Amino acid sequence: NAGVTQTPKFRILKIGQSMTLQCTQDMNHNYMYWYRQDPGMGLKLIYYSVGAGITDKGEVPNGYNVSRSTTEDFPLRLELAAPSQTSVYFCASSYSIRGNQPQHFGDGTRLSIL
Amino acid sequence: AQTVTQSQPEMSVQEAETVTLSCTYDTSENNYYLFWYKQPPSRQMILVIRQEAYKQQNATENRFSVNFQKAAKSFSLKISDSQLGDTAMYFCAFMNRDDKIIFGKGTRLHILP
Repeated sequence: NAGVTQTPKFRILKIGQSMTLQCTQDMNHNYMYWYRQDPGMGLKLIYYSVGAGITDKGEVPNGYNVSRSTTEDFPLRLELAAPSQTSVYFCASSYSIRGNQPQHFGDGTRLSIL
Repeated sequence: AQTVTQSQPEMSVQEAETVTLSCTYDTSENNYYLFWYKQPPSRQMILVIRQEAYKQQNATENRFSVNFQKAAKSFSLKISDSQLGDTAMYFCAFMNRDDKIIFGKGTRLHILP
């Protein structure tokens, strides 16, 4: 079972560069999420999606964009990378958004902006 | 604002001992979900246990159990017979009525041989 797959696992960007973090899941989950985890902190929700074509902002959406053209894929785009976006990014998915369905997490992408 | 507080940044216990991790939260809602997630050095986020606020009975999953005190807004995790593989960061999390999860800052747990 692949579950939630994130690529790349590590990336270093220069300030002002752009990149897309890829996330795909093979569990046919409707709900997908992007989180960031700063050092010594818990996860903060960036964006989430309740289904193909539908996305919504989380707690810290500034500087990011998402799209959900298919059920499987939920890429996260950084347009103008800033040092404050240095973090570990986690993608997650769940069958439903209610708490009785667990979220499945990817292994994370460690991103450094220099 | 809804918050989740984990007051113990780091803890260490001997293998086979029992350890309790604290978590408090702040909300005005009546129905919600609470979670404990484990993050080992591999960085994976693994759901350990889940509690529904309208259920009075404390959730248990094998060696993991919670002490849910709704009035006190407390949700502690007890790990019995701790094992070396329990070494990890543990995050307490709260799901609000908007279905967004709020995480605490975590407790780093070391199980010592």
